[in-house]
Amino acid sequence: AQSVAQPEDQVNVAEGNPLTVKCTYSVSGNPYLFWYVQYPNRGLQFLLKYITGDNLVKGSYGFEAEFNKSQTSFHLKKPSALVSDSALYFCAVRDRSYNTDKLIFGTGTRLQVFP
Amino acid sequence: NAGVTQTPKFQVLKTGQSMTLQCAQDMNHNSMYWYRQDPGMGLRLIYYSASEGTTDKGEVPNGYNVSRLNKREFSLRLESAAPSQTSVYFCATTGVPSSYEQYFGPGTRLTVT
Repeated sequence: AQSVAQPEDQVNVAEGNPLTVKCTYSVSGNPYLFWYVQYPNRGLQFLLKYITGDNLVKGSYGFEAEFNKSQTSFHLKKPSALVSDSALYFCAVRDRSYNTDKLIFGTGTRLQVFP
Repeated sequence: NAGVTQTPKFQVLKTGQSMTLQCAQDMNHNSMYWYRQDPGMGLRLIYYSASEGTTDKGEVPNGYNVSRLNKREFSLRLESAAPSQTSVYFCATTGVPSSYEQYFGPGTRLTVT
């Protein structure tokens, strides 16, 4: 079965420093990978996706993610964190097994950016 | 365009009561989904509808029913609410199958006492 894992419940970083939010995946076949962000009391918002092509994917709000097939990882990164980046981040993988087509989400990582 | 809308935003039920959560989208998307979000569990898929007239069970369907009323609307019904169904419920849609980005509604916070 397809799955994603987010090993950190929370990541703390100082404003202006680079940030990384980790995600590893387990899929059969070529993965469709996604990152979403959730601000307090809001629904999830799409940040970026990897389907094929360049391993470095750029998305919204200055975020990027690096697809690493050998390490089965898809870590979210940003060169310089902002306090406004503080939110809950979800990694997800598309599951097309057993005649279904849906997203499988990780458990989420809370990012806290301190001034 | 409103995107994906959900009603109500908040609801408190007593154990055994029933209610229907409504979801509507104006994005002309074929696929719609219902998730629940619980602390430490991420989002779990309850039911989904790949197109008008079809529905399928997700990861946690027990205690729920759905109706895909038309292309725009996808409702989630709790026939006999239980405290374990206390959660935040999100509706989502997907448009182009090749890109598969999902668009989420603002959520319904449900408490069952």
